[in-house]
Amino acid sequence: EDQVTQSPEALRLQEGESSSLNCSYTVSGLRGLFWYRQDPGKGPEFLFTLYSAGEEKEKERLKATLTKKESFLHITAPKPEDSATYLCAVQFYNQGGKLIFGQGTELSVKP
Amino acid sequence: GAVVSQHPSRVICKSGTSVKIECRSLDFQATTMFWYRQFPKQSLMLMATSNEGSKATYEQGVEKDKFLINHASLTLSTLTVTSAHPEDSSFYICSAFPDRTGGNTIYFGEGSWLTVV
Repeated sequence: EDQVTQSPEALRLQEGESSSLNCSYTVSGLRGLFWYRQDPGKGPEFLFTLYSAGEEKEKERLKATLTKKESFLHITAPKPEDSATYLCAVQFYNQGGKLIFGQGTELSVKP
Repeated sequence: GAVVSQHPSRVICKSGTSVKIECRSLDFQATTMFWYRQFPKQSLMLMATSNEGSKATYEQGVEKDKFLINHASLTLSTLTVTSAHPEDSSFYICSAFPDRTGGNTIYFGEGSWLTVV
């Protein structure tokens, strides 16, 4: 069965303390892996799409990487405003573009 | 940038009544839209794929007669929760991607909170 697993479930960091979030997947026919940020009570905000192993994308303090089995979201020198739930999702070929989400990592950055 | 809009953002309805939630793509055409629901502290669960001009495709375990989906145009999909019950109370979120991108970038609406009393 195709699965998407994120770890840790929750992460508490001090401002400036860099860390990484993990998303592992066991799927066949992966077309793309997506990262989103979700604030409480809001819809997910698109961050990145990764398509092939070895690919990396960056946006401000965030960098996403992809291997054949997992993806990492690296957060460099986080700020309190980076506090949110980070979701990863996978997209399959021949599935019309739908996404299957992991459970998310709730990130809290303290000043 | 591309924007997906949902309306209403919050709705309270009485048990047994029906409620409609709209999802619009504001600056792009979307043949395909998706509906998710999210319970507190949980992730998004795909309910159905909405296809313009044809029937929606529902995920396993989702009652198609209870969650009616209509995708009447390339910019609008609606989800109607029929005969709502308190257990239907949830956060409903739609998503869409511009047809021209082929699904490379998928945008989400702001979500709609449904409370059934």
